[in-house]
Amino acid sequence: RKEVEQDPGPFNVPEGATVAFNCTYSNSASQSFFWYRQDCRKEPKLLMSVYSSGNEDGRFTAQLNRASQYISLLIRDSKLSDSATYLCVVKVERGNKLIFGAGTRLAVHP
Amino acid sequence: DAGVTQSPTHLIKTRGQQVTLRCSPKSGHDTVSWYQQALGQGPQFIFQYYEEEERQRGNFPDRFSGHQFPNYSSELNVNALLLGDSALYLCASSSGQIDQPQHFGDGTRLSIL
Repeated sequence: RKEVEQDPGPFNVPEGATVAFNCTYSNSASQSFFWYRQDCRKEPKLLMSVYSSGNEDGRFTAQLNRASQYISLLIRDSKLSDSATYLCVVKVERGNKLIFGAGTRLAVHP
Repeated sequence: DAGVTQSPTHLIKTRGQQVTLRCSPKSGHDTVSWYQQALGQGPQFIFQYYEEEERQRGNFPDRFSGHQFPNYSSELNVNALLLGDSALYLCASSSGQIDQPQHFGDGTRLSIL
């Protein structure tokens, strides 16, 4: 079983749609959680950290459920520029390595 | 303020050869991590360097080795290259504090023929 699992997609949505991505992680010792965005043939870029209380950054909302070991990302009012791969990332308490999911592809069309 | 820089951008090698990839961390960062990203997969952690020592290592064979210099820059060396080593190699830097986010370079795309 992979340490971080994501639905690979692709999610094809029209502009203006709301889309949600889910992610599960297997290591209950995971302490920090992130969503990264990766454009085609580019490096991953931090989109947002994920906190237990849930957090919002503009059109993006992230949620964490520690009991279920589940992370989500909600994108409202999708833009063409949101088209990318979204990577779910966890960091275990010991050490500083990031554990990435395989990513979920999003394609927003006019 | 320069971000993380990696060189070269692209590289083509043949099986059995050796390769060295280079990384300069973002200004103010002292920790460098290396990741391998195969096509269609998320990045996989190779190892991390801090204070010129390997602090943590992922599940990669000894053919993968590294080094960190006093100016915090780092090298990733891979010996006896295999076809399966073809991937995007990403360097990420951060400060020594555990909770600081990592910033990635553009990566080196390595192709093994």
